[in-house]
Amino acid sequence: QVQLQESGPGLVKPAETLSLTCTVSGYSMTRGYYWGWIRQPPGKGLEWIGNIYHDGSTDYNPSLKSRVTMSVDTSKNQFSLKLTSVTAADTADYYCARDTGPSSGLGVDVWGKGTTVIVSS
Amino acid sequence: QSVLTQPPSASETPGQRVTISCSGSNSNIGSNYVHWYQHLPGTAPKVLIYRNNQRPSGVPDRFSASKSGTSASLAISGLRSEDEADYYCAAWDDSLSGPVFGGGTKLTVL
Repeated sequence: QVQLQESGPGLVKPAETLSLTCTVSGYSMTRGYYWGWIRQPPGKGLEWIGNIYHDGSTDYNPSLKSRVTMSVDTSKNQFSLKLTSVTAADTADYYCARDTGPSSGLGVDVWGKGTTVIVSS
Repeated sequence: QSVLTQPPSASETPGQRVTISCSGSNSNIGSNYVHWYQHLPGTAPKVLIYRNNQRPSGVPDRFSASKSGTSASLAISGLRSEDEADYYCAAWDDSLSGPVFGGGTKLTVL
């Protein structure tokens, strides 16, 4: 059974960098698929942040691209998100997820439970 | 502003049928599969429908979905109180090379 678990600080100061890590269990990231971050600000819908492939190639949402960096550590079966220069608008529930891509027909099929990140001084 | 457009809310009485629409464009729904998720506060979104109209094992057949052109819809029949949740549509977007989501529809079972 594939499971994803987010970890990282729940409180980040404005203008600082938000850092989260997702640990994958039950599936080796090197087998394929995309690994992504999705967030949900309070009272709003789901927003895709970006995807990373096991070889390190990335795709980011253009609206966040200038502030986002994703990385992968296949030896630990983990991938990470860094979002710089955060503001209150970045306060959200952050989910890591497995995205099977456009061809499989399975969509984003496995989600972490999510972690709440609040941006406040 | 979400890429896919859903009504923000829907409501119906128990036992009745409700449909939720999802509108997109050629770069997402028009050329890729549509998926639907059920989301309860504080939990991970749950796959309700994949590949336009397929139900994962364990999802009741009260849930059904369809897609036509750049639009899709989710139908829930025989509504139950436990169906109260937020429902999201999603599809891969070829322009973004990533998934896009609807803004979510909050379903209330009256």
